[in-house]
Amino acid sequence: EVQLVESGGGLVQPGASLKLSCVASGFTFSDYWMSWVRQTPGKTMEWIGDIKYDGSYTNYAPSLKNRFTISRDNAKSTLYLQMSNVRSEDTATYYCTRGRPYWGQGTLVTVSS
Amino acid sequence: DVVMTQTPVSLSVSLGGQTSISCRSSQSLVHSDGNTYLYWYLQKPGQSPQLLIYKVSNRFSGVPDRFSGSGSGTDFTLKISRVEPEDLGVYYCYQGTHYPYTFGAGTKLELK
Repeated sequence: EVQLVESGGGLVQPGASLKLSCVASGFTFSDYWMSWVRQTPGKTMEWIGDIKYDGSYTNYAPSLKNRFTISRDNAKSTLYLQMSNVRSEDTATYYCTRGRPYWGQGTLVTVSS
Repeated sequence: DVVMTQTPVSLSVSLGGQTSISCRSSQSLVHSDGNTYLYWYLQKPGQSPQLLIYKVSNRFSGVPDRFSGSGSGTDFTLKISRVEPEDLGVYYCYQGTHYPYTFGAGTKLELK
């Protein structure tokens, strides 16, 4: 069974950095592109970006490219999202996904002073 | 970016009834490989989105045949027949053809 478990969310101050993790199981992690998607409190869904199975290539939403970095550690079956200089509008639930069908349960990030 | 316009914003339906949701994209979703990467999701309260339909009209594993997708190019429709209580929630269309990938704003399905 495919499982994706995100962690690392919480309350963070504006301007700070935060790194989210997503541990995958139930499939060969190194065979798949992986993605991050976020959902705001108002339920707007936004694709953040994705990363190739070997970590050699990434794509990002242009509005986030300068502050967010996606990486992976295939030996640990873990996907990461490094967020820097966070803003209030980054407050959202962050999901990691494998392809279209498989989503984690999400981790909530709240940016507030 | 491709703008995905979903209508209506909300729907009120009776159990056992039928309804449909429209999704229009600001440009064609036909990929250079010939596929159309248009998806439909349902998000139930407190849950992650679940895939219903992939590539316009293909039901994902375990999705009942009460759900059907259709359309082409820029106009797409999700139809739900014989609505059941577990169908309630927010439906999203999503395009995976053009980077950055984008979602519709959602359609909330409620009971009449």
